[in-house]
Amino acid sequence: EDQVTQSPEALRLQEGESSSLNCSYTVSGLRGLFWYRQDPGKGPEFLFTLYSAGEEKEKERLKATLTKKESFLHITAPKPEDSATYLCAVRGMDSSYKLIFGSGTRLLVRP
Amino acid sequence: EAGVTQFPSHSVIEKGQTVTLRCDPISGHDNLYWYRRVMGKEIKFLLHFVKESKQDESGMPNNRFLAERTGGTYSTLKVQPAELEDSGVYFCASSPKGPHTGELFFGEGSRLTVL
Repeated sequence: EDQVTQSPEALRLQEGESSSLNCSYTVSGLRGLFWYRQDPGKGPEFLFTLYSAGEEKEKERLKATLTKKESFLHITAPKPEDSATYLCAVRGMDSSYKLIFGSGTRLLVRP
Repeated sequence: EAGVTQFPSHSVIEKGQTVTLRCDPISGHDNLYWYRRVMGKEIKFLLHFVKESKQDESGMPNNRFLAERTGGTYSTLKVQPAELEDSGVYFCASSPKGPHTGELFFGEGSRLTVL
């Protein structure tokens, strides 16, 4: 069964303090790994898609990387506006178009 | 351009009652999805429409849930009769036709509370 585990559950950083979020996955034939950001009271907002090990994507202070077992979301010099829940999801060979989500990492960046 | 809109934003009903949630996808998006998050759990897939056809409804929990997408435009998700465990946030998402990039456009969700 396809599964996604995110760690840590919550992370508190000072503004400018870089860190990484982890997403470990088990999937039968990865057809894509996705990162979303979710603000309180809002729906998830798409950030990145990664398809194969070694692939990297960047957007502003965020950089996503992928290996055969996990993905990292690196946050460089975060700002308070980066505070949100970051969700990881996968799509496997057996999953048709559905995404399997992890439970997310709640990030708080203090000024 | 308008995003995905969902109505109502919050619904409070008694156990055994019926609730209908509505989703208006982004205009022109053939793919429409329903997901839900129950308290303390991860977001889980319910079903996927391509235009008016159900492509995958493997995530629908039981036959108390009925989803429709008339004319391939807006979609409704009806829960009848509602049970306590149906409480949660129901998200609708849409995406254009074509290769699945994983970029889904989500609405803000409809929070359902069953008392």
